[in-house]
Amino acid sequence: EVQLVESGGDLVQPGGSLRLSCAASGFSSNSFWMSWIRQAPGKGLEWVAHINEPGNDKYYVDSVKGRFTISRDNAKNSLSLRMDSLRAEDTALYYCAAWSGVYNYWGQGALVTVSS
Amino acid sequence: DIVLTQSPLSLPVTLGQPASISCKSSQSLVSSDGNTPLNWLQQRPGQSPRRLIYGVSVRASGVPDRFIGSGSGTDFTLEISRVEAEDAGVYYCLQSTQWPHTFGQGTKLEIK
Repeated sequence: EVQLVESGGDLVQPGGSLRLSCAASGFSSNSFWMSWIRQAPGKGLEWVAHINEPGNDKYYVDSVKGRFTISRDNAKNSLSLRMDSLRAEDTALYYCAAWSGVYNYWGQGALVTVSS
Repeated sequence: DIVLTQSPLSLPVTLGQPASISCKSSQSLVSSDGNTPLNWLQQRPGQSPRRLIYGVSVRASGVPDRFIGSGSGTDFTLEISRVEAEDAGVYYCLQSTQWPHTFGQGTKLEIK
């Protein structure tokens, strides 16, 4: 069974840091580009970051550039998102998703709440 | 960034009736290789999104044939030929022609 399982979501103060992880199983995630996509409470979807199969090509939405870092460990079939200088507007459910021209697989999401 | 504008944002539909959602792009979605990477996703209440359609009109594996994608250039449509109860949820278009990938605002389909 294909699974993507996110972890690491938490309540954090503005300016704080957090690291999200995504564990893939049931498929070879190193054959896919991988993405982080977020959804603020009651809102739509926003693509956040994307990394290619070997991990040497990365893209970010402008609002997180310089603050978020996407990375992957193909040996462990895992994806990470390091989030620094967090802001209230980063509050969202963060999904990891596997891409091959379409977002084939999605996790259940990790909730990040930025609040004092 | 490419802006995708969906309409309507709310769509009440009677069971068994057709439904149609429009997605208009701020610029052509034809990529340099001649393809048009316009996707549709469905998000049922309380669930993660799932793929429905990619490349404008190709149904993903397991998607019923009542879901039909069409369009070209900047104008795209998702049609459901006969709405069933399990179709309730929010539908998003997504473009991957250009970075950043962008989504439409979402259209909430509710069963009357």
